Amino acid sequence: QSALTQPPSASGSPGQSVTISCTGTSSDIGRYNYVSWYQQYPGKAPKLLIYEVTYRPSGVPDRFSGSKSDTTASLTVSGLQAEDEADYYCSAYAGINHVLFGGGTKVTVL
Amino acid sequence: EVQLVESGGGLVQPGGSLRLSCVVSGFIVSNNDMTWVRQAPGKGLEWVSLLSYVERTQYADSVRGRFTISRHKSDNILYLQMSSLRPEDTAVYYCARERDEHFFDYWGQGTLVTVSA
Repeated sequence: QSALTQPPSASGSPGQSVTISCTGTSSDIGRYNYVSWYQQYPGKAPKLLIYEVTYRPSGVPDRFSGSKSDTTASLTVSGLQAEDEADYYCSAYAGINHVLFGGGTKVTVL
Repeated sequence: EVQLVESGGGLVQPGGSLRLSCVVSGFIVSNNDMTWVRQAPGKGLEWVSLLSYVERTQYADSVRGRFTISRHKSDNILYLQMSSLRPEDTAVYYCARERDEHFFDYWGQGTLVTVSA
């Protein structure tokens, strides 16, 4: 099964908001509320940002928020900061295919 | 403190084998679902394999029949035995804890596997 679809890049100035989309199908994002988002810096392991579409683990700033509509999930980073420049990946449970990841979005802070 | 530390990566020829280890501290491997995720150089993440706490295994189509996930209960270690390796298996391999809601909350630092002649 194909990976989830994310835009390869997104950017914003400090203080602005940036929203990253993650498009799946009725078999994954459209069927289950098991969407998660990860932040990854170069050479580092991914870090969990959002789980079950909207929940933030302890320690993740509330500038990060998640949502879902039909077969598309979104991650919004509000009040963009220099440290938010990283790669972001979505993930969704896909039943028989278990878990799919998106191709990743590189966020640049202008 | 939770720590996951992978090892066992390296350079291997096509067709060869390698066993990755993930030593876990801070929680009990056999009480949790554990997963391997890989990332080819410059590419995105790819789920590879799951070992559930009830020892159910699952594999991505790309590795099924070639990779085997297992654990050593007393040593609290997760393994990934890889055989018939192909150049497209070249990647950083991460172990991670998978929660019931299918997200990954703890990750190791990764170990690089390079398959090349």
